[in-house]
Amino acid sequence: GAVVSQHPSRVICKSGTSVKIECRSLDFQATTMFWYRQFPKQSLMLMATSNEGSKATYEQGVEKDKFLINHASLTLSTLTVTSAHPEDSSFYICSARGRGNTIYFGEGSWLTVV
Amino acid sequence: TQLLEQSPQFLSIQEGENLTVYCNSSSVFSSLQWYRQEPGEGPVLLVTVVTGGEVKKLKRLTFQFGDARKDSSLHITAAQPGDTGLYLCAGDTDSWGKFQFGAGTQVVVTP
Repeated sequence: GAVVSQHPSRVICKSGTSVKIECRSLDFQATTMFWYRQFPKQSLMLMATSNEGSKATYEQGVEKDKFLINHASLTLSTLTVTSAHPEDSSFYICSARGRGNTIYFGEGSWLTVV
Repeated sequence: TQLLEQSPQFLSIQEGENLTVYCNSSSVFSSLQWYRQEPGEGPVLLVTVVTGGEVKKLKRLTFQFGDARKDSSLHITAAQPGDTGLYLCAGDTDSWGKFQFGAGTQVVVTP
């Protein structure tokens, strides 16, 4: 079946540095991917829609200059958290739209900023 | 303000009891999904409903989509400890897969 893979699954970075999270569709092409953030004991909050070959669409309140999204190919979207701070520590998860508009979620990436 | 309101926020029951989780909105959804999520993992899709009035059964789980496609419910019969988890509903208003999630219902089933 279709699989969406995220990498890394866990990352620790120093405050002020940038960190990149990858979201790959392994056996299908995804023109659209979605990025979510989930804080402990909270639900998933949609951050942005990643569109292959064009700019991402950000949800209200999400800083596009801080959360850079690049969808350069039909199987890869990346989320870069720039100048990370401890409050950016969270679970980041992507989803990809596959055949028949079925949505597949990645396994998620834990980011800890120290 | 969340697009989808889930209730209750927390539910603790004994093994063998039944439970119902509700998901309500003022928006109309082209599809609505239910997920279960365990700590530290991504959400796992349980069901997708697309037709108003639709009822889907998955073993002891029954999912219902409201006639107006604005609300849904998840009913678990004879709950087991393995049903413990965070249950999330998610709705897509434009058929493009842009799902907005409810706040979730934490279900705890004790032996």
